[in-house]
Amino acid sequence: QVQLVESGGALVRPGGSLRLSCEASGFIFSDFYMSWLRQAPGKGLEWISYINWNSRYIHYADSVRGRFTISRDNARTSVYLQMDSLTAEDTGVYYCARAANSGSLFADSWGQGTPVSVSS
Amino acid sequence: EIVLTQSPATLSVSPGERATLSCRASQNVRDNVAWYRQKPGQTPELLIYGASTRAAGIPARFTGNGSGTEFTLTISSLQSEDYAVYYCHQYEGWPPGLTFGAGTKVEI
Repeated sequence: QVQLVESGGALVRPGGSLRLSCEASGFIFSDFYMSWLRQAPGKGLEWISYINWNSRYIHYADSVRGRFTISRDNARTSVYLQMDSLTAEDTGVYYCARAANSGSLFADSWGQGTPVSVSS
Repeated sequence: EIVLTQSPATLSVSPGERATLSCRASQNVRDNVAWYRQKPGQTPELLIYGASTRAAGIPARFTGNGSGTEFTLTISSLQSEDYAVYYCHQYEGWPPGLTFGAGTKVEI
């Protein structure tokens, strides 16, 4: 079955950087768009970014554009999120998700999430 | 950005009763709406996509309806595992700027 395992979450100071990883299994990774989403403590869901199979199509939410970078390695069946210039507003649980298909990018499978805390 | 407004914010329902959750989009999203259930401390779970198609393994008590700007999720008979927060989600357009509603909490 589909498995997505995130890692890399940590406590980081404002202005710092962090790189999240998500390893996928149970499906043909290179066939799917992949996304990152997040959830601030006690808040709702926010989509952050998605990337297509060959990394040619990448999009970001306005809240992270210019600070976050999504990438993928199909050989390692992994997707990454490089986060720079972090602020307290970036605190939350970060989820890796598989998009259902190239025409409909809702997430049909989610990882368990990795927590990120930005605090001095 | 397409804004999704969910109502009510909190819905109190007794076990076995029906619950109807609403989601309104700020512009036409056709049928590009999904619904998720998030139980306390757990990952969101896909219930409905394409406004009305149940995801694999989702029981028939969940029904999605709507198109354009008005959508509903109906749970016909609340079970204990249904007390959770429900989010609507739109994925219209290309490239789609994906957005979520603020959620409806279903409580006993």
